[in-house]
Amino acid sequence: NAGVTQTPKFQVLKTGQSMTLQCAQDMNHEYMSWYRQDPGMGLRLIHYSVGAGITDQGEVPNGYNVSRSTTEDFPLRLLLAAPSQTSVYFCASKPRQGYTEAFFGQGTRLTVV
Amino acid sequence: TQLLEQSPQFLSIQEGENLTVYCNSSSVFSSLQWYRQEPGEGPVLLVTVVTGGEVKKLKRLTFQFGDARKDSSLHITAAQPGDTGLYLCAGNYAGGTSYGKLTFGQGTILTVHP
Repeated sequence: NAGVTQTPKFQVLKTGQSMTLQCAQDMNHEYMSWYRQDPGMGLRLIHYSVGAGITDQGEVPNGYNVSRSTTEDFPLRLLLAAPSQTSVYFCASKPRQGYTEAFFGQGTRLTVV
Repeated sequence: TQLLEQSPQFLSIQEGENLTVYCNSSSVFSSLQWYRQEPGEGPVLLVTVVTGGEVKKLKRLTFQFGDARKDSSLHITAAQPGDTGLYLCAGNYAGGTSYGKLTFGQGTILTVHP
Protein backbone atom coordinates (compact mmCIF):
# COMPACT_ATOMS: atom_id res chain seq x y z
CA ASN A 1 0.00 0.00 0.00
CA ALA A 2 1.27 3.46 -0.90
CA GLY A 3 -0.42 5.18 2.08
CA VAL A 4 -0.01 8.97 1.85
CA THR A 5 1.98 10.19 -1.15
CA GLN A 6 3.31 13.72 -1.46
CA THR A 7 4.88 15.33 -4.51
CA PRO A 8 7.29 16.90 -5.10
CA LYS A 9 9.81 16.02 -2.37
CA PHE A 10 11.83 19.19 -2.94
CA GLN A 11 10.96 22.54 -4.52
CA VAL A 12 12.63 25.92 -4.86
CA LEU A 13 10.42 28.90 -5.69
CA LYS A 14 11.07 32.56 -6.29
CA THR A 15 9.15 35.09 -4.24
CA GLY A 16 5.79 35.78 -5.87
CA GLN A 17 5.57 32.50 -7.76
CA SER A 18 2.71 30.08 -7.25
CA MET A 19 2.68 26.33 -6.97
CA THR A 20 0.62 23.37 -5.81
CA LEU A 21 1.82 20.70 -3.40
CA GLN A 22 0.11 17.41 -4.17
CA CYS A 23 -1.16 14.91 -1.62
CA ALA A 24 -2.92 11.63 -2.37
CA GLN A 25 -3.99 8.77 -0.10
CA ASP A 26 -5.24 5.33 -1.07
CA MET A 27 -6.73 4.32 2.29
CA ASN A 28 -10.21 5.80 1.68
CA HIS A 29 -9.69 8.15 4.63
CA GLU A 30 -12.28 10.86 5.15
CA TYR A 31 -10.01 13.26 7.05
CA MET A 32 -6.97 14.92 5.47
CA SER A 33 -4.80 17.75 6.68
CA TRP A 34 -1.75 19.85 5.88
CA TYR A 35 0.96 20.83 8.38
CA ARG A 36 4.11 22.84 8.15
CA GLN A 37 7.15 21.98 10.24
CA ASP A 38 9.64 24.63 11.27
CA PRO A 39 12.63 24.20 13.61
CA GLY A 40 11.66 24.44 17.27
CA MET A 41 7.95 24.79 16.49
CA GLY A 42 6.74 21.26 15.94
CA LEU A 43 4.02 20.81 13.32
CA ARG A 44 1.36 23.47 12.83
CA LEU A 45 -1.98 22.82 11.15
CA ILE A 46 -2.58 24.84 7.96
CA HIS A 47 -5.87 23.48 6.57
CA TYR A 48 -7.90 20.35 6.98
CA SER A 49 -10.80 18.52 5.34
CA VAL A 50 -13.35 16.20 6.92
CA GLY A 51 -14.52 14.87 3.56
CA ALA A 52 -14.84 15.63 -0.14
CA GLY A 53 -16.13 19.14 -0.69
CA ILE A 54 -15.49 20.27 2.92
CA THR A 55 -12.42 22.22 4.03
CA ASP A 56 -11.59 24.46 6.96
CA GLN A 57 -8.75 26.56 8.31
CA GLY A 58 -6.23 25.43 10.84
CA GLU A 59 -3.79 27.40 12.97
CA VAL A 60 -1.73 29.06 10.19
CA PRO A 61 -3.90 29.30 7.02
CA ASN A 62 -2.78 32.66 5.61
CA GLY A 63 -1.13 32.42 2.19
CA TYR A 64 -2.49 28.93 1.48
CA ASN A 65 -5.56 27.58 -0.30
CA VAL A 66 -6.97 24.07 -0.41
CA SER A 67 -9.75 22.16 -2.10
CA ARG A 68 -11.06 18.61 -1.80
CA SER A 69 -12.85 17.47 -4.93
CA THR A 70 -12.22 13.76 -4.30
CA THR A 71 -11.68 11.59 -1.23
CA GLU A 72 -8.17 10.69 -2.41
CA ASP A 73 -6.63 14.08 -3.16
CA PHE A 74 -6.00 17.18 -1.07
CA PRO A 75 -3.74 19.70 -2.85
CA LEU A 76 -2.23 22.72 -1.11
CA ARG A 77 -1.81 25.88 -3.16
CA LEU A 78 0.60 28.71 -2.54
CA LEU A 79 -0.64 31.68 -4.56
CA LEU A 80 2.13 34.24 -3.96
CA ALA A 81 5.07 32.49 -2.38
CA ALA A 82 6.98 34.38 0.32
CA PRO A 83 10.27 33.55 2.09
CA SER A 84 8.27 33.04 5.31
CA GLN A 85 6.71 30.00 3.64
CA THR A 86 10.05 28.22 3.48
CA SER A 87 9.34 25.08 5.46
CA VAL A 88 8.76 21.34 5.32
CA TYR A 89 5.15 20.53 4.51
CA PHE A 90 3.43 17.34 5.60
CA CYS A 91 0.13 15.93 4.48
CA ALA A 92 -1.66 13.55 6.84
CA SER A 93 -4.83 11.49 6.72
CA LYS A 94 -6.94 9.45 9.10
CA PRO A 95 -10.10 7.40 8.68
CA ARG A 96 -12.39 10.04 10.23
CA GLN A 97 -12.15 13.26 12.24
CA GLY A 98 -12.46 11.60 15.64
CA TYR A 99 -9.85 8.91 14.96
CA THR A 100 -6.67 9.43 16.97
CA GLU A 101 -3.78 8.24 14.79
CA ALA A 102 -2.72 10.31 11.77
CA PHE A 103 -0.79 8.81 8.87
CA PHE A 104 1.81 11.12 7.37
CA GLY A 105 3.40 11.48 3.97
CA GLN A 106 7.16 11.86 3.57
CA GLY A 107 7.00 15.63 3.29
CA THR A 108 7.84 18.34 0.76
CA ARG A 109 10.80 20.59 1.51
CA LEU A 110 10.02 24.03 0.06
CA THR A 111 12.48 26.90 -0.20
CA VAL A 112 11.30 30.34 -1.27
CA VAL A 113 14.11 32.67 -2.33
CA THR B 1 -4.59 28.80 20.69
CA GLN B 2 -3.89 25.85 22.96
CA LEU B 3 -0.21 25.24 23.68
CA LEU B 4 1.56 21.95 24.20
CA GLU B 5 4.93 22.48 25.85
CA GLN B 6 7.49 19.76 25.20
CA SER B 7 10.85 19.57 26.96
CA PRO B 8 13.72 19.35 26.62
CA GLN B 9 14.18 20.53 23.05
CA PHE B 10 17.55 18.76 22.72
CA LEU B 11 19.00 15.69 24.42
CA SER B 12 22.49 14.34 23.79
CA ILE B 13 23.35 11.25 25.81
CA GLN B 14 25.62 8.20 25.83
CA GLU B 15 24.45 4.72 24.97
CA GLY B 16 23.02 2.97 28.01
CA GLU B 17 21.75 6.10 29.77
CA ASN B 18 18.11 6.70 30.67
CA LEU B 19 16.10 9.75 29.62
CA THR B 20 12.68 11.30 30.01
CA VAL B 21 10.82 13.69 27.71
CA TYR B 22 7.90 15.74 29.03
CA CYS B 23 4.77 17.13 27.42
CA ASN B 24 2.57 19.60 29.32
CA SER B 25 -0.55 21.65 28.71
CA SER B 26 -2.97 23.75 30.74
CA SER B 27 -5.89 22.12 28.89
CA VAL B 28 -7.32 18.61 29.10
CA PHE B 29 -6.65 16.12 26.30
CA SER B 30 -9.14 13.57 25.08
CA SER B 31 -6.10 11.58 23.93
CA LEU B 32 -2.38 12.09 23.49
CA GLN B 33 0.03 10.52 21.07
CA TRP B 34 3.78 10.17 20.78
CA TYR B 35 5.37 10.12 17.33
CA ARG B 36 8.91 9.48 16.18
CA GLN B 37 10.31 11.14 13.08
CA GLU B 38 13.42 10.17 11.11
CA PRO B 39 15.23 12.67 8.85
CA GLY B 40 13.45 13.03 5.51
CA GLU B 41 10.40 11.13 6.69
CA GLY B 42 7.03 11.95 8.19
CA PRO B 43 6.16 11.27 11.84
CA VAL B 44 5.22 7.69 12.71
CA LEU B 45 2.96 6.87 15.63
CA LEU B 46 4.54 5.15 18.66
CA VAL B 47 1.62 5.09 21.07
CA THR B 48 -1.74 6.64 21.96
CA VAL B 49 -2.83 7.16 25.57
CA VAL B 50 -6.43 7.87 26.42
CA THR B 51 -7.12 7.22 30.11
CA GLY B 52 -5.80 9.40 32.95
CA GLY B 53 -2.98 7.58 34.79
CA GLU B 54 -2.47 5.17 31.90
CA VAL B 55 0.98 3.62 31.44
CA LYS B 56 2.00 1.90 28.22
CA LYS B 57 5.25 0.12 27.46
CA LEU B 58 6.86 -0.45 24.10
CA LYS B 59 10.07 -2.46 24.67
CA ARG B 60 12.43 0.03 26.39
CA LEU B 61 9.98 2.95 26.02
CA THR B 62 7.47 3.76 28.77
CA PHE B 63 4.69 6.26 28.17
CA GLN B 64 2.65 7.78 30.97
CA PHE B 65 -0.50 9.91 30.83
CA GLY B 66 -1.14 12.24 33.77
CA ASP B 67 -4.09 11.61 36.06
CA ALA B 68 -5.70 14.90 34.97
CA ARG B 69 -4.95 14.19 31.28
CA LYS B 70 -2.98 17.44 30.96
CA ASP B 71 0.52 16.00 30.74
CA SER B 72 2.47 13.01 29.51
CA SER B 73 5.99 11.64 29.61
CA LEU B 74 8.15 9.34 27.53
CA HIS B 75 10.90 7.45 29.35
CA ILE B 76 13.57 5.49 27.50
CA THR B 77 15.63 2.96 29.44
CA ALA B 78 19.15 2.09 28.35
CA ALA B 79 19.08 4.24 25.23
CA GLN B 80 20.68 2.91 22.07
CA PRO B 81 22.01 4.75 18.97
CA GLY B 82 18.98 3.44 17.07
CA ASP B 83 16.76 5.56 19.33
CA THR B 84 18.23 8.71 17.78
CA GLY B 85 15.53 10.86 16.18
CA LEU B 86 12.91 13.54 16.70
CA TYR B 87 10.20 12.70 19.23
CA LEU B 88 6.92 14.58 19.07
CA CYS B 89 3.97 14.61 21.40
CA ALA B 90 0.59 15.51 19.94
CA GLY B 91 -2.72 15.99 21.68
CA ASN B 92 -6.36 15.86 20.75
CA TYR B 93 -7.99 18.46 22.95
CA ALA B 94 -11.37 17.65 24.38
CA GLY B 95 -14.40 19.07 22.63
CA GLY B 96 -15.38 22.30 20.90
CA THR B 97 -13.62 23.58 17.81
CA SER B 98 -10.57 21.44 18.59
CA TYR B 99 -12.36 18.18 17.84
CA GLY B 100 -10.21 15.87 15.76
CA LYS B 101 -7.36 18.35 15.41
CA LEU B 102 -3.88 17.41 16.52
CA THR B 103 -1.79 19.98 18.38
CA PHE B 104 1.92 19.19 18.39
CA GLY B 105 4.62 19.98 20.88
CA GLN B 106 7.86 21.56 19.68
CA GLY B 107 9.66 18.22 19.52
CA THR B 108 12.72 16.73 21.22
CA ILE B 109 15.79 15.96 19.15
CA LEU B 110 17.46 12.94 20.77
CA THR B 111 21.01 11.94 19.92
CA VAL B 112 22.42 8.76 21.45
CA HIS B 113 26.18 8.40 21.09
CA PRO B 114 27.79 4.94 20.90
